[in-house]
Amino acid sequence: AQSVTQLDSQVPVFEEAPVELRCNYSSSVSVYLFWYVQYPNQGLQLLLKYLSGSTLVESINGFEAEFNKSQTSFHLRKPSVHISDTAEYFCAVSVSGGSYIPTFGRGTSLIVHP
Amino acid sequence: NAGVTQTPKFQVLKTGQSMTLQCAQDMNHNSMYWYRQDPGMGLRLIYYSASEGTTDKGEVPNGYNVSRLNKREFSLRLESAAPSQTSVYFCASGTVSNEQFFGPGTRLTVL
Repeated sequence: AQSVTQLDSQVPVFEEAPVELRCNYSSSVSVYLFWYVQYPNQGLQLLLKYLSGSTLVESINGFEAEFNKSQTSFHLRKPSVHISDTAEYFCAVSVSGGSYIPTFGRGTSLIVHP
Repeated sequence: NAGVTQTPKFQVLKTGQSMTLQCAQDMNHNSMYWYRQDPGMGLRLIYYSASEGTTDKGEVPNGYNVSRLNKREFSLRLESAAPSQTSVYFCASGTVSNEQFFGPGTRLTVL
């Protein structure tokens, strides 16, 4: 079975600073990888995903994540954060061609200070 | 497209009362899911349905039942609510790669 570890439960950062939210997974087979964002009092929404192809994936609002198979990681980065990026971020993994159940990490709370 | 819709948005129950949370999706997805979200616990899967006519237990099924009414609708029922079921409940539907689309959530308080 796969598992996901988000190494930081909370990441405080100042506006316009860079940020990295870390995600490691364990799986013995090929995986699909996802980052979801949850703004206060809302449901989760997809931020970006890796299914195949280029290991670097980008979102429309400036986030990027790189699939590193040797490190079994899928860290999320943004070079310059905004106040509006304050939210909870969840990493998730599912087995390609496998079960219907994705595994979610426990989430990282990104807090952007002015 | 409305995506995934959930009703109600808020609910307060007394211990022992029952209720059904409704969920519908308009994206023609086969898979649907019910999660609960509690502080510090992340998302925990209650039940899921891989396709119309099938349902399976997730990580925390005790105290809940589900019905996959048709391809669009997947309901969650609490037969006898307990304070431990106070939580935020999310319904989701999923693609074949397990990309999930979430509803806005139901905030349930059991007194």
